Amino acid sequence: SAVISQKPSRDICQRGTSLTIQCQVDSQVTMMFWYRQQPGQSLTLIATANQGSEATYESGFVIDKFPISRPNLTFSTLTVSNMSPEDSSIYLCSVGQGAGQPQHFGDGTRLSIL
Amino acid sequence: GENVEQHPSTLSVQEGDSAVIKCTYSDSASNYFPWYKQELGKGPQLIIDIRSNVGEKKDQRIAVTLNKTAKHFSLHITETQPEDSAVYFCAATTPLNQAGTALIFGKGTTLSVSS
Repeated sequence: SAVISQKPSRDICQRGTSLTIQCQVDSQVTMMFWYRQQPGQSLTLIATANQGSEATYESGFVIDKFPISRPNLTFSTLTVSNMSPEDSSIYLCSVGQGAGQPQHFGDGTRLSIL
Repeated sequence: GENVEQHPSTLSVQEGDSAVIKCTYSDSASNYFPWYKQELGKGPQLIIDIRSNVGEKKDQRIAVTLNKTAKHFSLHITETQPEDSAVYFCAATTPLNQAGTALIFGKGTTLSVSS
């Protein structure tokens, strides 16, 4: 399966600031997704990163708060904007090759907001 | 939209025993059901998956069964070992669009295997 690298692996940020998380895959993939996992909780889909077009956001997530880029088939970024303590979570990138195909996850970015 | 319920939330077994985790889903259009294992500090790792045209799938000590009529699927781990201790998540796909699907996750089961 694809090797997925996320950077940074963890960060501690001040409220009101923004952080951009990178997801790099070692091979071209059709689909890239961003999930949030709050402490001790399950995973919630934030958005689907679409190559060359605007991301598709799930209910409760908006582009102004979580802008996403996907310039090519191996790379995507998620920005967490104007952070508050409620944004403290693990942010995970996953990749897949299409409908009904396995998705594989990176190890995530552990974000703490002070 | 799709909703996935997972039980139990915690499960403690003795080494060598079997462990069973059950999930139910709500959307009859869901057609792909993966299981993930997440160890502390790591991302979820895909351990087995099943598609809606199959009733059972096995991979060594791990098996998954699917009952489409009842809309439930289960993970079976036999001969458990301490290294099986982790959080396990079931998931189901809901179609996003023609290009792909997203995973809807259950709330997770914390499995503890004691030696």
